[in-house]
Amino acid sequence: DAKTTQPTSMDCAEGRAANLPCNHSTISGNEYVYWYRQIHSQGPQYIIHGLKNNETNEMASLIITEDRKSSTLILPHATLRDTAVYYCIVRVANNAGNMLTFGGGTRLMVKP
Amino acid sequence: EAQVTQNPRYLITVTGKKLTVTCSQNMNHEYMSWYRQDPGLGLRQIYYSMNVEVTDKGDVPEGYKVSRKEKRNFPLILESPSPNQTSLYFCASSLRQGSYNEQFFGPGTRLTVL
Repeated sequence: DAKTTQPTSMDCAEGRAANLPCNHSTISGNEYVYWYRQIHSQGPQYIIHGLKNNETNEMASLIITEDRKSSTLILPHATLRDTAVYYCIVRVANNAGNMLTFGGGTRLMVKP
Repeated sequence: EAQVTQNPRYLITVTGKKLTVTCSQNMNHEYMSWYRQDPGLGLRQIYYSMNVEVTDKGDVPEGYKVSRKEKRNFPLILESPSPNQTSLYFCASSLRQGSYNEQFFGPGTRLTVL
């Protein structure tokens, strides 16, 4: 799996967009970018994933640069409940070993 | 409601006393997995199962057993728990091949072995 680099922590004002960056300069052509988050002591929650096109779902948007070496997760209107650690993971889709590796992640603090 | 459930949520036990942590999913997922999470070590996979009667070791399988007799259930068994198995345990599931990385996680089981 390609290595990812994320800022250790970020703050965001409630109601504003939270933009969480991830660098993955060694990503391979068949590797996807996945985002998860983990609210304190709860199970990780899958958010979104993409290969090269930008993606949007009910939770967030994922913007992947054209060279695929970095991406940004966007929470359009952050709420206090979005305070969590956000993990960017790069993997092939059909990995039979299937061990998700969560790195350090970004601790997002949404403030009133 | 689609979900992964785990029981118990909290457990304090003593060394050597066999225990089972249950995991059940109601989404008809083929793939299920167990992880443990420890401070500074992140999530580590214990065992996984790609379908009924098919299980494989993950990164840290020593001291654990699993079984997959039915699609919905994937219990984690500690035959003789030791203090180094004190941890936060998560069960996860995903639909099938091609979507392995979109995993639904349970709420976690916090285990303390004295």
